[in-house]
Amino acid sequence: GAGVSQSPSNKVTEKGKDVELRCDPISGHTALYWYRQSLGQGLEFLIYFQGNSAPDKSGLPSDRFSAERTGGSVSTLTIQRTQQEDSAVYLCASSLVGGHLFFGSGTQLSVL
Amino acid sequence: KNQVEQSPQSLIILEGKNCTLQCNYTVSPFSNLRWYKQDTGRGPVSLTIMTFSENTKSNGRYTATLDADTKQSSLHITASQLSDSASYICVVSVPDSWGKLQFGAGTQVVVTP
Repeated sequence: GAGVSQSPSNKVTEKGKDVELRCDPISGHTALYWYRQSLGQGLEFLIYFQGNSAPDKSGLPSDRFSAERTGGSVSTLTIQRTQQEDSAVYLCASSLVGGHLFFGSGTQLSVL
Repeated sequence: KNQVEQSPQSLIILEGKNCTLQCNYTVSPFSNLRWYKQDTGRGPVSLTIMTFSENTKSNGRYTATLDADTKQSSLHITASQLSDSASYICVVSVPDSWGKLQFGAGTQVVVTP
């Protein structure tokens, strides 16, 4: 597609359930980023993939969070045993190295 | 402490007027400084990217300035339009660490008729 696509756009889940968030980056972009944005807050870095290099996972808040990128394209962010504090907008972005980041519209996650 | 501070936190301006948003950063060294516009419910959209050697960059009615000595940047919006209502985010990148962009909390701009 022409832009970064994220799905689902909204996800409501119960505390303790696992969720998977998907990101389809722009074709040809080697870098892919996941961020989290709480209401009224700045973006919080979660994880960064660049080509075939080992991902930078230093922003993941706990071991309940994990992400993978298959075939250098689609990425999935998984949150296990969700907690209410996980409620936020999860944004994915892709770019050429050092270039403009192109963001998806995000997934609004609500944990009840 | 956030390494990128933005001010004001929010502002309201009349359509047609100009405004200036401020960004102060402590990230050092840095590779480039970016300004993004984020409409409600959408992902941020890039407005400008400036390297440390650039002083100014324009994108239509948006003009960004950078003073690398004082570690300050500003975003000037000329002849504001209702569609300029959004959050404007200042972002600083670190050399050799493209993934770890430092985001400011943003300035919420509301343009009224």
